[in-house]
Amino acid sequence: AQSVTQPDIHITVSEGASLELRCNYSYGATPYLFWYVQSPGQGLQLLLKYFSGDTLVQGIKGFEAEFKRSQSSFNLRKPSVHWSDAAEYFCAVGWGSGGSNYKLTFGKGTLLTVNP
Amino acid sequence: DTAVSQTPKYLVTQMGNDKSIKCEQNLGHDTMYWYKQDSKKFLKIMFSYNNKELIINETVPNRFSPKSPDKAHLNLHINSLELGDSAVYFCASGTGIGAFFGQGTRLTVV
Repeated sequence: AQSVTQPDIHITVSEGASLELRCNYSYGATPYLFWYVQSPGQGLQLLLKYFSGDTLVQGIKGFEAEFKRSQSSFNLRKPSVHWSDAAEYFCAVGWGSGGSNYKLTFGKGTLLTVNP
Repeated sequence: DTAVSQTPKYLVTQMGNDKSIKCEQNLGHDTMYWYKQDSKKFLKIMFSYNNKELIINETVPNRFSPKSPDKAHLNLHINSLELGDSAVYFCASGTGIGAFFGQGTRLTVV
C-alpha cells in the first residue's frame, strides 16, 4: 500500500540556519511527489512537486527538494530559514490508475518552529 | 482572485444537524476533491469528482454526500452530524495529479 513517512514530528531551527525535512515514501511505481506547507489557520500551499526528470526540484519561497529513488526519499531543504517559514510541512505522494483517479496520500506532517 | 474558495470558513453546529460546505474553483480544472484533516492534522482524501462524476469515494459514511452541479463547484453535505465529524475539511482542485487547496472549513460539532 502507498504510504508516506515523515520521521520528524517537530523540528526547531534558528533563523538563518539551514533546514532539511525528511520524507520517505512507499509506492510500487514511479511516484509523483509533493511538498505542501500549512501556516497556522491557513490552507495548504503547494511548495514544489516532482513528476520526472531532474531529481532536484526548485519551489517557491526558496525551497528545494531532491528525489532519491534508491532511498525512496524526497527531502525538503532550505539554505537559510526565515521566521515566516514557521509552519506545518506535509509531504505527499500522488498515485492512481490514471487520469482523474489520482489522489494524494499525505504524511503526518512536520511542525517547524523557528527561533529568533 | 482566489483559485479555490470554500464557504463558510468556520462552522459550529449541534449534533444531529445537517450542514453544507460549498466549494468553487476558477482554475478550469476538471477534477475536484474533498479532504478531511483530523485533530492530529492528518489529511485524508474523502471524494473526488471529475466533470460532475464521482470518481473516488474513500469509504466515507453515507451521511456525507458530495454534490457537483458543474465542474467548477463541489459541495459537501453532511447529515446527522456527530461529534467525530469535527475536523477541517479542505476542498481542492487539480488537473489529475496534485491539487490546489482551499483555505479549509473548520467544522465543530457540539
